[in-house]
Amino acid sequence: AQSVTQLDSHVSVSEGTPVLLRCNYSSSYSPSLFWYVQHPNKGLQLLLKYTSAATLVKGINGFEAEFKKSETSFHLTKPSAHMSDAAEYFCVVRGGGGSQGNLIFGKGTKLSVKP
Amino acid sequence: KAGVTQTPRYLIKTRGQQVTLSCSPISGHRSVSWYQQTPGQGLQFLFEYFSETQRNKGNFPGRFSGRQFSNSRSEMNVSTLELGDSALYLCASSLALGGQETQYFGPGTRLLVL
Repeated sequence: AQSVTQLDSHVSVSEGTPVLLRCNYSSSYSPSLFWYVQHPNKGLQLLLKYTSAATLVKGINGFEAEFKKSETSFHLTKPSAHMSDAAEYFCVVRGGGGSQGNLIFGKGTKLSVKP
Repeated sequence: KAGVTQTPRYLIKTRGQQVTLSCSPISGHRSVSWYQQTPGQGLQFLFEYFSETQRNKGNFPGRFSGRQFSNSRSEMNVSTLELGDSALYLCASSLALGGQETQYFGPGTRLLVL
């Protein structure tokens, strides 16, 4: 069965410093992985997705993630945090086999950005 | 192109009532999925529809049901509401099923059960 584990429930950084949100996945075959962001009282917005074309995936708003099969990780990074990045971030894996359609979400990481 | 729209945005019901939520996918998208988001359980998959057929179902009781119309619009229904059904219900649409398809989410319907 597919699953994701977000290693930090809350991350706090200062504006202008790097962001690292950690995610490990479990999958019995090559996974489709996503990062979504949710701002307060808003829906989910796709940041980026990994679909086996390239291990380093660039997303919107300066975010990127690297797929590391040997470490079963898909960590999200950004070189310099902005106040507007404060939100909740979800690492997501696509279910497979008979449940190929649905997304399986991690518990989320709340990112706080201090001025 | 307009995004995924959900109506209503907010809803207050009492225990025992039933509720119907609506989702209009992005134009051209044929797959619609529903998710429940609560502080305790996080985001959980409810069901997915494609071409008016339920293709996949999450682990929710039969009180939760849905359907999809020929124009790809979808509704979900919750009967005999319980306090624990209070949640943000998110709808997502994609061009097709599964694999590498990206799901685009609507703003959600926030349901409060009193």
